[in-house]
Amino acid sequence: EVHLVESGGGLVQPGRSLRLSCEASGFTFDDFAMHWVRQAPGKGLEWVAGISWKGANIDYADSVKGRFTISRDNSRNSLYLQMNSLRPNDTALYYCAKDTRSLPDGGLSNWGQGTLVTVSS
Amino acid sequence: DIQITQSPSSLSASVGDRVTITCRASQTILSYLHWYQQKPGKAPNLLVSMASRLQNGVPSRFTASGSGRDFTFTISSLQLEDFATYYCEQSYSTPRTFGHGTRVEIK
Repeated sequence: EVHLVESGGGLVQPGRSLRLSCEASGFTFDDFAMHWVRQAPGKGLEWVAGISWKGANIDYADSVKGRFTISRDNSRNSLYLQMNSLRPNDTALYYCAKDTRSLPDGGLSNWGQGTLVTVSS
Repeated sequence: DIQITQSPSSLSASVGDRVTITCRASQTILSYLHWYQQKPGKAPNLLVSMASRLQNGVPSRFTASGSGRDFTFTISSLQLEDFATYYCEQSYSTPRTFGHGTRVEIK
């Protein structure tokens, strides 16, 4: 069974940094693209970033480009999101999600339970 | 960026009703359109990928179709457990974009 467990969220002041992690199990991690998707309280879903199976293809939402960095360590079955220069409107529940394909262009078949990031002074 | 217009934003329906949700993309996305169900306090769940591929374990009362710009998602006979918010999402180009969601409520 696929399991995705996010960690690293918390309360942070505007302008500071945070690093999210996602530990994967139950599937061959390096066969699949992975993504981060966020959901602000009471709002809809927003794709944040995606990375292909080997990490060669990486893309970001315009709202986080230049501030966030997605990465993966296939030897550790782990996905990461380094978030710098955080803003109050980055406040959201951040989900790690598994793609159905090796390139980041398929449906998101499995999701973690999310880690909450709150940006506030 | 590709915009996705999902409608309606909400609907009220009764158990046994047929429910249809549509998504229109601002440009062609071929079949790179996926449908998710999200219940309160839970992560989204992929129901349909690539416009019409029902995921394993998803009941056959859920169907979806479309290609190009226009897509349809149908629940043929609404069940109690189907009351939730549904999202479509395009993955044809980055940034990937979601529709704003359709909240299906009990009438």
